Amino acid sequence: EDQVTQSPEALRLQEGESSSLNCSYTVSGLRGLFWYRQDPGKGPEFLFTLYSAGEEKEKERLKATLTKKESFLHITAPKPEDSATYLCAVRTPFGNEKLTFGTGTRLTIIP
Amino acid sequence: GAVVSQHPSWVICKSGTSVKIECRSLDFQATTMFWYRQFPKQSLMLMATSNEGSKATYEQGVEKDKFLINHASLTLSTLTVTSAHPEDSSFYICSARDLTGGSRETQYFGPGTRLLVL
Repeated sequence: EDQVTQSPEALRLQEGESSSLNCSYTVSGLRGLFWYRQDPGKGPEFLFTLYSAGEEKEKERLKATLTKKESFLHITAPKPEDSATYLCAVRTPFGNEKLTFGTGTRLTIIP
Repeated sequence: GAVVSQHPSWVICKSGTSVKIECRSLDFQATTMFWYRQFPKQSLMLMATSNEGSKATYEQGVEKDKFLINHASLTLSTLTVTSAHPEDSSFYICSARDLTGGSRETQYFGPGTRLLVL
């Protein structure tokens, strides 16, 4: 059974304090690891997709990396508007290629 | 990125009534859409996969007769919660699979529908 574990569950940072969120996964045949951002009361917003170990993608203050067992979302010099829940999901070739989500990391950036 | 809309954004209904939620892909065609349910401070739980022109595939434990799914076109899927009860109150989110990237597809999510059953 595919498993996705995110840590920490919650993270509070001062504005400008860089950190990383972790997503560990156990799947049979990874066909993409996805990062989404979700604000309260809204649907998830797509950030990145990573497909193979060693791949990296960046967007503004966010950088996502992938190894064979985990992915990191690095946040550099975060701002209060980066506060959100960050969700990690994996896609496999099985079961209509659905996404399996982790429980998310709730990030709070304090001004 | 691609845009997915949902309607309504929130709905309040009486116990025993049925509620229909629409999910539309606005700028791409989606042969497959997904319906999720999310409880407060929890992650998304997949309810069913909606395939255009065929029957939906439901996840284990999801009642097919209670959550009716219709994927009538390449841009529209509907979820009908039949005979709703207070325990059906939740945040329902749809997503649509954008295949324009070929094998490197992406799922885009709608803004969600908050359902409150009194």
